[in-house]
Amino acid sequence: RKEVEQDPGPFNVPEGATVAFNCTYSNSASQSFFWYRQDCRKEPKLLMSVYSSGNEDGRFTAQLNRASQYISLLIRDSKLSDSATYLCVVSGTGNQFYFGTGTSLTVIP
Amino acid sequence: NAGVTQTPKFQVLKTGQSMTLQCAQDMNHEYMSWYRQDPGMGLRLIHYSVGAGITDQGEVPNGYNVSRSTTEDFPLRLLSAAPSQTSVYFCASRQTGFNSPLHFGNGTRLTVT
Repeated sequence: RKEVEQDPGPFNVPEGATVAFNCTYSNSASQSFFWYRQDCRKEPKLLMSVYSSGNEDGRFTAQLNRASQYISLLIRDSKLSDSATYLCVVSGTGNQFYFGTGTSLTVIP
Repeated sequence: NAGVTQTPKFQVLKTGQSMTLQCAQDMNHEYMSWYRQDPGMGLRLIHYSVGAGITDQGEVPNGYNVSRSTTEDFPLRLLSAAPSQTSVYFCASRQTGFNSPLHFGNGTRLTVT
């Protein structure tokens, strides 16, 4: 079983739409969770950390459900500039981090 | 503040050649790591280091060597390149401690023919 699983999409949504991505993880002992954004042929960049109580950064909301072992990312009022691949990242044992394969989002005018 | 710097950006090798991918960070991060990214596979950890003189294997270490003689530098060596090592390689560093995120370099695109 993969450490982290994501729906690869693609998600094609109109501008202004709300879109949500989920990511499940297998290690119940994982402590750190992140969402990264990756533009085509570029390096991943941190979008936001995910905290136990949930957290929001502008149009982006991240949530963690430890009981069901998943994290989610909600994007409200989608912009064209939100088009990218979104990666969830989960810490494992020791100093290892595990990446999902990414969910592709295209925001359509 | 340069962050994480990787060189080269692009490289083409013939099967059997060796080379070193360079990675340097100026954020005084103890933790450094190398990932490879292949289509449909996500990023996979090759090797990592929690400080100078300390290295450990990740998920896919075969065919690669690393060393960490200073806090700033963490080079990745391909001993005898194979076509299966064609990939995009990312170096990443982070502060040690709970919930510290990874900071990535801008990647090296390697093709082995």
